[in-house]
Amino acid sequence: AQSVTQPDIHITVSEGASLELRCNYSYGATPYLFWYVQSPGQGLQLLLKYFSGDTLVQGIKGFEAEFKRSQSSFNLRKPSVHWSDAAEYFCAVGARGSSGDKLTFGTGTRLAVRP
Amino acid sequence: EPEVTQTPSHQVTQMGQEVILRCVPISNHLYFYWYRQILGQKVEFLVSFYNNEISEKSEIFDDQFSVERPDGSNFTLKIRSTKLEDSAMYFCASGGQEETQYFGPGTRLLVL
Repeated sequence: AQSVTQPDIHITVSEGASLELRCNYSYGATPYLFWYVQSPGQGLQLLLKYFSGDTLVQGIKGFEAEFKRSQSSFNLRKPSVHWSDAAEYFCAVGARGSSGDKLTFGTGTRLAVRP
Repeated sequence: EPEVTQTPSHQVTQMGQEVILRCVPISNHLYFYWYRQILGQKVEFLVSFYNNEISEKSEIFDDQFSVERPDGSNFTLKIRSTKLEDSAMYFCASGGQEETQYFGPGTRLLVL
């Protein structure tokens, strides 16, 4: 069964600082990987996704993530955080080759941004 | 840009009552999902739906739950007899052939 671990429950960074949110997955083959962001009281917005090809993927709002097969990781990064990035971030894994398969989410990392 | 919509945004109900949560998926999508998020917890898969039938369901999705696509646009989740522990945010999602799921804004259900 697939699973996702986000080891950091809360992270606080200063505005303008760089950010890295960790995500490790467990899956028998190469999975589909996603990062979603949830602002307070809001739904889940897709930030970026990895299906195949270049292991460094670019997303919206200046985010990027790198798929590392050897480490079973898909960490999310941003070079300079803005106050509006304060939200909860969820990593998710989906089964490859199974259209319509469920997503399995991590427990999320709540990001706070210091002025 | 097309998006998934959900109604109502909030629903308060008494324990034992039936609720129907409604979703309008993105129009050309073929795969439909319901997830839930209990306050402070992670998002959990409930059910997936394709070609007018359930393709997968979780342990949470017991006989009290049902889904339906009554017409070409709506996708509903019914909880027949709500329990206190059904209080959660319920998210609808839809996907096309590319395996990306797009989520709606959610319905916050509170069971009293």
